[in-house]
This record gives sequence, structure tokens and C-alpha cells, in this order.
Amino acid sequence: AQTVTQSQPEMSVQEAETVTLSCTYDTSESDYYLFWYKQPPSRQMILVIRQEAYKQQNATENRFSVNFQKAAKSFSLKISDSQLGDAAMYFCAYRRYGGSQGNLIFGKGTKLSVKP
Amino acid sequence: DADVTQTPRNRITKTGKRIMLECSQTKGHDRMYWYRQDPGLGLRLIYYSFDVKDINKGEISDGYSVSRQAQAKFSLSLESAIPNQTALYFCATSESGLAGYQETQYFGPGTRLLVL
Repeated sequence: AQTVTQSQPEMSVQEAETVTLSCTYDTSESDYYLFWYKQPPSRQMILVIRQEAYKQQNATENRFSVNFQKAAKSFSLKISDSQLGDAAMYFCAYRRYGGSQGNLIFGKGTKLSVKP
Repeated sequence: DADVTQTPRNRITKTGKRIMLECSQTKGHDRMYWYRQDPGLGLRLIYYSFDVKDINKGEISDGYSVSRQAQAKFSLSLESAIPNQTALYFCATSESGLAGYQETQYFGPGTRLLVL
């Protein structure tokens, strides 16, 4: 069974600095998708970034980028120029390619605090 | 207007009561999901539906049932609520297909349920 591990329960960053959140996963599949979701205090789950496993290029979305290391099964999220609004829980998630299963498999989350 | 809406946003009920949580979407997506979030456990899949006539159990379906009334509506029922069903419940939607953007799930704002 696939698992997703986020080893940092909490992280802190100074405003305008850069922070990296770690995620590792375990799968025997070669094709899959990886996601980072943000959950602010409003509790809404917001998609931050997506990576397809067949793409070698790391995904980027404005200040958010990933370091996808397929062989190491690692998928870290880098937040550049951190802003106060980035404070939230961040969840890493895995989705198997195709098949009949519906679920995203989530890690337990990393709580990010941003200091002014 | 929000693409995925959930009602109610908050609910308090008593043990043994039947309760229904509703989800509606205007994204035109075929696939809909119900997840449960418990503190420290991330999100876990309860049920999912790939179209109106398709209903599938997820990881933790015991004690829950669902109804897909239309493409845009997917309801979750707790037939006889118990205290350990106290949690945050999310509805999510996605398109049909294997492309990365189609496999991306978009979440509603969540329903906080307390069972006394």
C-alpha cells in the first residue's frame, strides 16, 4: 500500500525568507501524481502545486516550487519570499495513475508559521 | 461564488441521530468524493463516485452511506451518529481522465461535525 510521510510536524520561517517542507512516499507504481495542498485557519483545502511523475521537470507556481526526486521518492515544497498569508497546514498527497481507485493518500501535514 | 459548496458548515448532533451532509458543485466535474479529517491523521477517503450510477467505498466507509442525486450533488449520511464520527468532513470533485489536471481534486470548505 502507498504511504506518504511528512517528517516535520511544525516549521517556522521569517517573513521574506525561504522554507522547504519535506515529503517522502512509498509506492511500487511508476506512474502517479503528487500534490501539495494548503489548509489555512479557514480550513479550506487549497491546491498549491501538482507534479506528474513522468515529468522530469520540477513544477513551479509563482513563489512555490518542488524538488521531485523520483528515485529517492521525495517531493519537497519550497516557498520563496514567505508571506504572512503562507501560514497554514501543508499536506503532501499521492494519487495513483489511472485505475479505479479514487483516493488521494495524504500525509499528516506540516504546520508552517511565518514570523513578521 | 464557490465552485464546491457544502451544507451545513457546522453541525452538532447527538449519538444515535441520523444526519446528512450535502455537497454541490458547479465545476461540471463527473467525479465526487467524501473525505474525513481527524487531527493528526490527514484526510481519509470515505466514499467516491465517478458518475451518477457509480458509487464506491473508500478506506473508512463503515457507518456511512452516500447518495449521488445528480452530477452536481453528492450527499453523505450518518445513519446513527456516534461520538467517534466527530471530525471535519470534506467533499471534493475532479474531472474524468488521466491527465494531471483531470486527476486534481478540488475541495469544498468543509463541514465540522460534533457528535455528543
